[in-house]
Parts: sequence; structure tokens; C-alpha cells
Amino acid sequence: AQKVTQAQTEISVVEKEDVTLDCVYETRDTTYYLFWYKQPPSGELVFLIRRNSFDEQNEISGRYSWNFQKSTSSFNFTITASQVVDSAVYFCALSDLDTGRRALTFGSGTRLQVQP
Amino acid sequence: ETGVTQTPRHLVMGMTNKKSLKCEQHLGHNAMYWYKQSAKKPLELMFVYNFKEQTENNSVPSRFSPECPNSSHLFLHLHTLQPEDSALYLCASSQDALPGGSYNEQFFGPGTRLTVL
Repeated sequence: AQKVTQAQTEISVVEKEDVTLDCVYETRDTTYYLFWYKQPPSGELVFLIRRNSFDEQNEISGRYSWNFQKSTSSFNFTITASQVVDSAVYFCALSDLDTGRRALTFGSGTRLQVQP
Repeated sequence: ETGVTQTPRHLVMGMTNKKSLKCEQHLGHNAMYWYKQSAKKPLELMFVYNFKEQTENNSVPSRFSPECPNSSHLFLHLHTLQPEDSALYLCASSQDALPGGSYNEQFFGPGTRLTVL
């Protein structure tokens, strides 16, 4: 069975600090996708990134970067120079392609509070 | 309207009421999803529709009844709910949900906050 673990339930940082959100996943599939979503107080989940299991290159997008390590089944998310607008709940998610199931398995989320 | 919209945004209902949640996507997608987000629990998939056909029911109680009249609209009909059904119900859409195809990210609506008294 698939499982996504986000061990950090809540993180609080001061503006301009760097912060890393951890994500560890379990799957028996060889082909899968990993995602990060942001859920601001408004409730809507905002897509941030998708990573294919065959692509282990790290990715940077502005202040966001992602570190995918297949050897440790981790897909960590770092925000550099955090801002108050980054305050939200962040979800890591996994989908498998081998079984054909299209739904996402979500972690329990990490609530990030960025203090001014 | 753009993206995925959901109405109502908030709903309070008694256990004997019948109500419906509506989701509409304006993205030209073919797959739609219902998720349930309870306090302190991960998002749980409820149903998947692909090209108007239900392709997944994640052991959801029959008091939740989905309906997908076309690829743009998805409903969740509610009846005789329990207080533990209180949660945020999120709708999502993606290009398609075909096995073996390349995966497309899901776009979410803002959710309906449901409270069952």
C-alpha cells in the first residue's frame, strides 16, 4: 500500500529564514509521481510541483526548491528567505501509475507559520 | 469563472436533511474527483470520474451519492449524514484519469466546509 509521511505537523519560522519541509513516501511501484501542494487559509489546494520517479534531478523555482532522493524515498521541499505569504499548510502527495489508480495519496500536511 | 469552483462554500445541515454539493471545472478536463479533508487527517479520496464514468469508489458510505452529468460538473448528494461527516469537501479535476497514460496534476476547488449537527 502507498503511504506518505510528513513528520513535521507544524513549523514556525521568522521571515527571511530558510525552512525545509520533509516528505517520506512508501510505494511498491516502480513508476510514480510525487507532488507538493500548498493550502492557504482560503482552503484551495494550489499545485506547486510534480516529479516523475525516473527524474531525480533537483528543481529550483524562485525561492522554492525540491530535493528528490529515491534511495531514501524522500521528496523534501525548501523555501528560501521565507515570507509571511508562505504561511499555509503544505501537502506532499504520491500517485502510482503501475496499478492504474489515478488518485493521489496525501500526507497529513505540515502547517508553516512565518512570523513577520 | 476560471479553474474549479465549488458551491456552496459553507453548509450546515441536520442529520435528516438532504443537500447537494456542486463542483464545476472550467479547464476542459475529463476527470473529476471528490476528496474529504477532516481535521487532523490526510485528505481522503472519495470518488473518481473519468469521462463521466465512475472509475473509483473508495469504500464511501452510501449516504454520499455522487453524480457526474458531464465532464464539467460533479455533484455530491448528501442524505442522513452523521456528525463525523463534518469536514472540508474538495473537488478536483485533471486532464484525464486513464491508466497507462501520462499523469496530469489535479487542480482543486476551494472546497465546501460542511457541518453536520
